[in-house]
Amino acid sequence: DIQMTQSPPSLSASLGETVSIECRASEDIYSNLAWYQQKSGKSPQLLIYYASSLQDGVPSRFSGSGSGTQYSLKISGMQPEDEGVYYCLQGSKYPLTFGSGTKLEIK
Amino acid sequence: EVQLVETGGGLVQPGKSLKLTCATSGFTFSNAWMHWVRQSPEKQLEWVAQIKAKSNNYATYYAESVKGRFTISRDDSKSSVYLQMNSLKEEDTAIYYCTLISYWGQGTLVTVSS
Repeated sequence: DIQMTQSPPSLSASLGETVSIECRASEDIYSNLAWYQQKSGKSPQLLIYYASSLQDGVPSRFSGSGSGTQYSLKISGMQPEDEGVYYCLQGSKYPLTFGSGTKLEIK
Repeated sequence: EVQLVETGGGLVQPGKSLKLTCATSGFTFSNAWMHWVRQSPEKQLEWVAQIKAKSNNYATYYAESVKGRFTISRDDSKSSVYLQMNSLKEEDTAIYYCTLISYWGQGTLVTVSS
């Protein structure tokens, strides 16, 4: 199975701060990576697919980058509504596998 | 508007069975590849199963942890996907989500406990 190592496990950011979350795959996943945001009590919402494509309706302050085994999600200007847990998902090989999540809070 | 609505969760004893249903609308279900993903009480997400479309011969794929116990199926006439769960274990306790990967349902809670 492809292991997805996500970091950091938690993060605290001030309003307007730029934050980054990383996911490292145990092998090349050829940009088959998605990022999700999950707010408390809700289901995950897709932010980014194919590593860098922004899902319709997602604010442009969210961006994704990376290739091979290293990927990152950036939020350019933290907003209160960005609090939540963020997960990466690789779709390159079965079984699909998720990162362990990053809890993002407002400082 | 894409909608995915899961039903069928509940409290069940170890070794018993449960069948989840996901009713969908707002997209061309017959062409869609559908998944079940679960989230443990510790909040870890785990992909469970996928079923592809008729054009892909309804191919199915499973996580090793559920292979041989769970069966994913679909009814294109009802725009619905199902997860038959047999020989349930306490570690199957989770919220089960039906998902297109791009869109997710609200989830249904399955609790396996004696």
